[in-house]
This record gives sequence, structure tokens and C-alpha cells, in this order.
Amino acid sequence: AQSVSQHNHHVILSEAASLELGCNYSYGGTVNLFWYVQYPGQHLQLLLKYFSGDPLVKGIKGFEAEFIKSKFSFNLRKPSVQWSDTAEYFCAVIPGYGQNFVFGPGTRLSVLP
Amino acid sequence: GAVVSQHPSWVICKSGTSVKIECRSLDFQATTMFWYRQFPKQSLMLMATSNEGSKATYEQGVEKDKFLINHASLTLSTLTVTSAHPEDSSFYICSAYRLEPYEQYFGPGTRLTVT
Repeated sequence: AQSVSQHNHHVILSEAASLELGCNYSYGGTVNLFWYVQYPGQHLQLLLKYFSGDPLVKGIKGFEAEFIKSKFSFNLRKPSVQWSDTAEYFCAVIPGYGQNFVFGPGTRLSVLP
Repeated sequence: GAVVSQHPSWVICKSGTSVKIECRSLDFQATTMFWYRQFPKQSLMLMATSNEGSKATYEQGVEKDKFLINHASLTLSTLTVTSAHPEDSSFYICSAYRLEPYEQYFGPGTRLTVT
């Protein structure tokens, strides 16, 4: 079965530190890749997505992600985090040409002011 | 962006009763909606895929007779938790799929507590 793994369960950073959250998936064919963020008490919001083209994808709020096909990875990055980035981050994959998401377990990011 | 609403946002019910949760796409038509369950500090687990005008497709391990899904229109899907038990207590999230731009939009979730 397809699966999505995220390297870290909980990441703690100070403001202005750089962020990289790992995401790997197990599906070998065509994939669509997503990063979602869930702020405390709020619903999931799309940060960015990759369907095709440039493997370096820029999203909202200064986030970007790089698709590395050979590594089955789609890591999320931000050069300088803010306290307001404190949230749960989910990597998600749609294998093939379907609609069903497979979500990773999530990484909780805590940014200390 | 597209908006998906859920009602109620939280509900407390007694064991043995049934609870209905509504999911609405407010500004677009969604032929497909999804229902997820999220346990505390865990990821979303897909429960079922709801297609307008047809029966829902349930994921393995999800009891279709317990979690009744009805996708009555292009903007409304409902999840009914029948004969609720305390172990059904969870956060239920729906999403609606929009063909253009090929994205799912998530509702704010419904917190169900069964006492």
C-alpha cells in the first residue's frame, strides 16, 4: 500500500531559524504532492502543491518544497521561521491520476519567540 | 479561495444515539467529497469517498453501516454516526474536490464526543 512518511514528529525552532521538514512517499508512479498546514484550532490549508514542471515549488507564506523523484521526497523548507508558523504540517500524496489523498503522520512545528 | 463548511462544529451525544454531520461546499459544486477522521496528534485517515448520486466508497476497516454517508447534491454530503459509542469520539473532517484547479478544500472539522 502507498504510504507517506514524515521524518520528524515534533520540531522546535527559534524565530529566524531555517526550517526543513522531510517527506517521503512509497509510490513509484506518477504522483501529485502537497503540503498542508493546520494552525491550532483551524482547518487544513494548502501551502503548496506539485503536479509537474519545475520541481522547486513556491507556496504561500514564504514556504517552498523540492520534489526529488529519485529520492521519492518532497521536503518543505522556509529560510526564516516566525512564531506564527507554529502549526501541524502534513505532507500528502495523490498516487496516480486519482483524487484520494494519502496523508503523512504530520510534523508539529513549535517556534519559540 | 473555495469554502467548505461543516455543521455542527462540535457535538456531544450519549452512547447509542445517532449524530449527523453536514459538509457543504459553499461556492462551488463538488461531485466528490471525502470524509476523514483525525485522532489527537495524529494524521487524517480517509474513511470514505462520497460521490454525488451514488453510494459512498468506504476504506478498509470502516463500517459502512455505522458511518452512513449521503451525497444528496453537488454541494452537500452528510455523515451519520449511528449507535455512537465512546470510541467514535474523534474529529471528523470533510473535504470537497474541485475539478479546477484539481484541489481538495477542507472543512473546519466537527468534534464529536460520545459520553
